[in-house]
Amino acid sequence: DTAVSQTPKYLVTQMGNDKSIKCEQNLGHDTMYWYKQDSKKFLKIMFSYNNKELIINETVPNRFSPKSPDKAHLNLHINSLELGDSAVYFCASSPAGTGREKLFFGSGTQLSVL
Amino acid sequence: RKEVEQDPGPFNVPEGATVAFNCTYSNSASQSFFWYRQDCRKEPKLLMSVYSSGNEDGRFTAQLNRASQYISLLIRDSKLSDSATYLCVVNGPAYYGGSQGNLIFGKGTKLSVKP
Repeated sequence: DTAVSQTPKYLVTQMGNDKSIKCEQNLGHDTMYWYKQDSKKFLKIMFSYNNKELIINETVPNRFSPKSPDKAHLNLHINSLELGDSAVYFCASSPAGTGREKLFFGSGTQLSVL
Repeated sequence: RKEVEQDPGPFNVPEGATVAFNCTYSNSASQSFFWYRQDCRKEPKLLMSVYSSGNEDGRFTAQLNRASQYISLLIRDSKLSDSATYLCVVNGPAYYGGSQGNLIFGKGTKLSVKP
């Protein structure tokens, strides 16, 4: 009954590969996000979707492509992985209305690019 | 000036101590303020929202000073279980007329409570 679940938890891959991270929330929230936490522990937003529509797209290389098949899912596909992509990627969701800025995070995917 | 700045610590305190964390933010238009807690190798979790009048939740007290663009978190009677990184969070620029959860996170202040 995990609220925001993302898979895999760990992802180790070679440079140049393409990989995906999946995220699902069962909270009925309208908005979902991808955040990246780098080695310096700095947590920064990458994308936000509201009801399957992209609403935030920060300065992220276009090798990163989010996909939202429905409002409960937001997957992240990364092409041509680079060493600098190594980080922890957190999926999150938030409700509509006054609670929309209270984020519920998944447990994170630690990506290591070798 | 960074968008959200915090003292990185670490703060090493004995059990029972009172500890205060400070945070400053650069966007004077920010309207929403939070403290999140992140345990080692875990996801961030909302600790409390910060309201203009200040608010308290048990041993935790949050204060906001809009004029100085300053936020604080006070923890009284520290417990071992309070050991974590505390993230100051402020809403960022609005997108399409609404902030829609565009939150700017500080780098966090690490707290270690010792027996």
